Amino acid sequence: EAQVTQNPRYLITVTGKKLTVTCSQNMNHEYMSWYRQDPGLGLRQIYYSMNVEVTDKGDVPEGYKVSRKEKRNFPLILESPSPNQTSLYFCASTRLGRAGKDYGYTFGSGTRLTVV
Amino acid sequence: AQRVTQPEKLLSVFKGAPVELKCNYSYSGSPELFWYVQYSRQRLQLLLRHISRESIKGFTADLNKGETSFHLKKPFAQEEDSAMYYCALSPISSGSARQLTFGSGTQLTVLP
Repeated sequence: EAQVTQNPRYLITVTGKKLTVTCSQNMNHEYMSWYRQDPGLGLRQIYYSMNVEVTDKGDVPEGYKVSRKEKRNFPLILESPSPNQTSLYFCASTRLGRAGKDYGYTFGSGTRLTVV
Repeated sequence: AQRVTQPEKLLSVFKGAPVELKCNYSYSGSPELFWYVQYSRQRLQLLLRHISRESIKGFTADLNKGETSFHLKKPFAQEEDSAMYYCALSPISSGSARQLTFGSGTQLTVLP
């Protein structure tokens, strides 16, 4: 089954303790992205990657890191989590088509992170 | 910079009534517009995209470039349509970074 898999689904951690949220897709998609979802703010892009070893900042990258060493994996790293990073995080992927053709994103099931 | 505005955070309609979820965008070039839906405790799913002009689950959306709008419509709402709906924009350009920009979402509740 074609899917984007995120782990863990739920995570409670303490301020300053490094953590990694994993994301993996089995559709050979070039493009992967991380979003955070907060009430009243919708989804905001954190980082994205257009291919292996190609990453760039989205709208709210502060406090986050990513890496793209393999096409299928795009982990989100919080080196020193803070309470304002408590949120629901979604990973997404899509094919990169020719100009003018967008296939729509496939989303993971989300990771609910609480930083105390 | 691109921007997507969904003016209604909450929208309630009765079953069988028509429903329209508003979406306005600002972007200097030609955009691709999408609607995504998130049912309770589930992941976001692509509902429809303007470029394919399709109708999914009875929903349609027409891109109005003059009014820069992409409103989502359904003539007869069903209780199972209750969900959070997000309008999203992707720029069309060669080498686009595919920065999909989302609106803040509209929570639709269909009352029995």
